[in-house]
Formats: sequence, structure tokens, C-alpha cells
Amino acid sequence: NAGVTQTPKFRVLKTGQSMTLLCAQDMNHEYMYWYRQDPGMGLRLIHYSVGEGTTAKGEVPDGYNVSRLKKQNFLLGLESAAPSQTSVYFCASSYSINPEAFFGQGTRLTVV
Amino acid sequence: AQKVTQAQTEISVVEKEDVTLDCVYETRDTTYYLFWYKQPPSGELVFLIRRNSFDEQNEISGRYSWNFQKSTSSFNFTITASQVVDSAVYFCALSERGSTLGRLYFGRGTQLTVWP
Repeated sequence: NAGVTQTPKFRVLKTGQSMTLLCAQDMNHEYMYWYRQDPGMGLRLIHYSVGEGTTAKGEVPDGYNVSRLKKQNFLLGLESAAPSQTSVYFCASSYSINPEAFFGQGTRLTVV
Repeated sequence: AQKVTQAQTEISVVEKEDVTLDCVYETRDTTYYLFWYKQPPSGELVFLIRRNSFDEQNEISGRYSWNFQKSTSSFNFTITASQVVDSAVYFCALSERGSTLGRLYFGRGTQLTVWP
């Protein structure tokens, strides 16, 4: 039972490069979320999805795009990475409004 | 405005001491959920507890206990007889029924260090 799996776990990018973070869940959850964690800031919501084919902006969406083409996958894209996007990214999923959210192990991204 | 405030940025205790982590939240919803997560040095987020706004009973789970008080909008977390393995960052979080579907508002976390 894998739960929520994030790929990759670590990545170093050069400024201006692009990349996609993959989140996969095997719990048939409708809701999926991308958060970023920065020192002293807690976790902040980037984008979220309430179902296949639907996405919406969270608290800090600038510089990111997302897609939910399949129910089990939620992709986070950085088109042109900036040093300010250096962070730890967490994906989460949940089966309905306001239950426990299941988190992935995180992706540590460094943009140099 | 911060919906969840964890005023203690860092706490250091010696093993076997009791420690309380404070969490104050702000919401206008009558239905909401409060959470505590633990983030050990390995980095993953470990779910500890969820409490809904209609259940003010305190909860105890082993050395962990939680004190939910709606009158003061607080959801404090106490570790009794702390151990070195309790060293981690602890996050309090809020989810509002009427808010963005299921999103969590996190506090900034409290770094707990337990010394042997």
C-alpha cells in the first residue's frame, strides 16, 4: 500500500530550467494538493484539485502550473525555475472535505 | 492574518520533562477541524491527531495528550516524559468546512529538541 508517492525526492535545477514534479496516490482520493514548505513559514498551498481535470490556485500559485489528467496523478510544473522556488514540496490527497490529509514524503528542490 | 499561530518557535527540554506546544487558531466557521503533525529530521509529515469543532473532549494517546478549548481558540499538545525521539518540528493545522475544499492552514511550526 504505497499511499502518496512523490517523484523525484531530490532535484537541483539551474535558474531558468523547467521540471515537473509527479504526485501519485493509490487511495482513489478525489482531492489532491501541492504545498511548499519554507523555513519558519510552515506549509503553504500552491495549487489543488478537486477531481480529474479540475485545478485551482492556492495561496502561492505564481510560477507554478498543475495538471490532473488522471485521478491518481497530480503534476506540479515549474516552467522557468527561480531561486525563490527553492523549497520542500509536499503533495497530499484526501477522500473528502476536511478529513485527514495523506502526505507524500516530500521533494527537496534547489534552484541555483 | 495567520489562521494558525504557534508562538513557540523553538523549545528545548531535557529527557523526561513534560512539554506543551501551544496552538491558537482563528476561524469564523462553526465547523472546522484541527490537526497536529510531526515532522522528524527525516522530513516526512506524520499525522498525529484530528479533532472536529464539536468534540471538545481532551484526548490522550500514550505520552501524548491534547487540550482543545473553543473558548480560547486553542488546541495545545502535551508530551509527557519526553524522549529524544520526540525531537521534531510539530505543526498545528486548521481546516475549515466552508473554505477551499479540504485545504489545511498550517502554523509555522515549533521545533522541539529533547536532550538526553
